[in-house]
Amino acid sequence: EAQVTQNPRYLITVTGKKLTVTCSQNMNHEYMSWYRQDPGLGLRQIYYSMNVEVTDKGDVPEGYKVSRKEKRNFPLILESPSPNQTSLYFCASSLVGVDTQYFGPGTRLTVL
Amino acid sequence: AQTVTQSQPEMSVQEAETVTLSCTYDTSESDYYLFWYKQPPSRQMILVIRQEAYKQQNATENRFSVNFQKAAKSFSLKISDSQLGDAAMYFCAYRSFGSGGYNKLIFGAGTRLAVHP
Repeated sequence: EAQVTQNPRYLITVTGKKLTVTCSQNMNHEYMSWYRQDPGLGLRQIYYSMNVEVTDKGDVPEGYKVSRKEKRNFPLILESPSPNQTSLYFCASSLVGVDTQYFGPGTRLTVL
Repeated sequence: AQTVTQSQPEMSVQEAETVTLSCTYDTSESDYYLFWYKQPPSRQMILVIRQEAYKQQNATENRFSVNFQKAAKSFSLKISDSQLGDAAMYFCAYRSFGSGGYNKLIFGAGTRLAVHP
């Protein structure tokens, strides 16, 4: 089954404790992206990757890091989480130049 | 920069009735894509319908149709014969057509739709 998976689905952590949210897709997509969803703001892009070892900032990259060492994986790293990073996070993937993106199930992150 | 505006934070409709969700956008591009996504309580993002800006014909998918007005930069979603399962948050989204395959989606703030029996 074609899908985008994210782990964990729920995470409660404390300020300053490094964490990683994993994202994996099995569709051989070149393009992968991270979004955060906040009430009243919709989804905003954090980082994206056009292919292995090619990443770039989106609209709200502060406080986040990403890496793309393998085509299927695109982890989101919060090295020192803060309460303003409490949000719902989505990973998405697609073929480059194709309009339809596939979304993961979301990760609810709470930073205390 | 492109922006997407959904001016209705909440809407409600009676089961079997029709409802229209509004979306406007701002862009200087001539070619682009527009989307409506549904987010039920499960939080999954589900693509409802898509429209290519170069196509004049409005897209339809079963009970879902759009009214795409390119000159007015308007992209509304009409849900006919509303069902209880249509209750969800709906997001309007914009994507540039070119830029080397740049796939970034720009989302509106969302409209929460309630369906009453």
